Amino acid sequence: SYELTQPVSVSVALGQTARITCGGGLSGIKNVHWYQQKPGQAPVAVIYRDTKRPSGIAERYSGSNSGNTATLTISGAQVGDEADYYCQVWDSSLWMFGGGTKLTVL
Amino acid sequence: QLQLQESGPRLVKPSETLSLTCTVSGGSIRRSSDYWGWIRQPPGKGLEWIGSIYSGGSTYYSPSLKSRVTISLDTSKNQFSLKLNSVTAADTAVYYCAREWGYSGRDFYYMDVWGRGTTVTVSS
Repeated sequence: SYELTQPVSVSVALGQTARITCGGGLSGIKNVHWYQQKPGQAPVAVIYRDTKRPSGIAERYSGSNSGNTATLTISGAQVGDEADYYCQVWDSSLWMFGGGTKLTVL
Repeated sequence: QLQLQESGPRLVKPSETLSLTCTVSGGSIRRSSDYWGWIRQPPGKGLEWIGSIYSGGSTYYSPSLKSRVTISLDTSKNQFSLKLNSVTAADTAVYYCAREWGYSGRDFYYMDVWGRGTTVTVSS
């Protein structure tokens, strides 16, 4: 199996666009899901299947996938977007999580 | 609205068995297309998948924990459970249960509803 690679931290200025990447194995990754986790809270899905947004998630959250790298994009970053973000895929009959990225809004 | 709630002992002694239950409300655990999963998060670390169970009873376990883990369903109580045996301090974590929702292929599923999590400490 392979690991999902995320940057440990990403910083973004208030109101600007944040991008968090998730890299996978040699054959690429597909159907990537993204979760937001704020301190002391359970994770919440913000993007599933690469690009889909669950009900109730702001349109500022979007996802893309080039095949080798999936990207979570947060437009117009707000202080409330500060959190840890995890990517996830199902592969070879098991769930894999990325190591997580801490987003800081400056 | 579907809700999940973890319950069980907060303190477990080394070498003993950690047992947790996830109670599902607002929906049936027998819904034919759902999976039910356990995930944990050690203090200050990332998310780690433990295992999942299909509503029909099939199980999937993390290779790193497979030898110590059992996940089961209790449809009469609308609950699913986790047992992790021979625990050590490394098993200290917040444990979450979650519903895996989707359709078509397994990789189309994602964890759409999570419990609040319960902290389990392994210590003598």
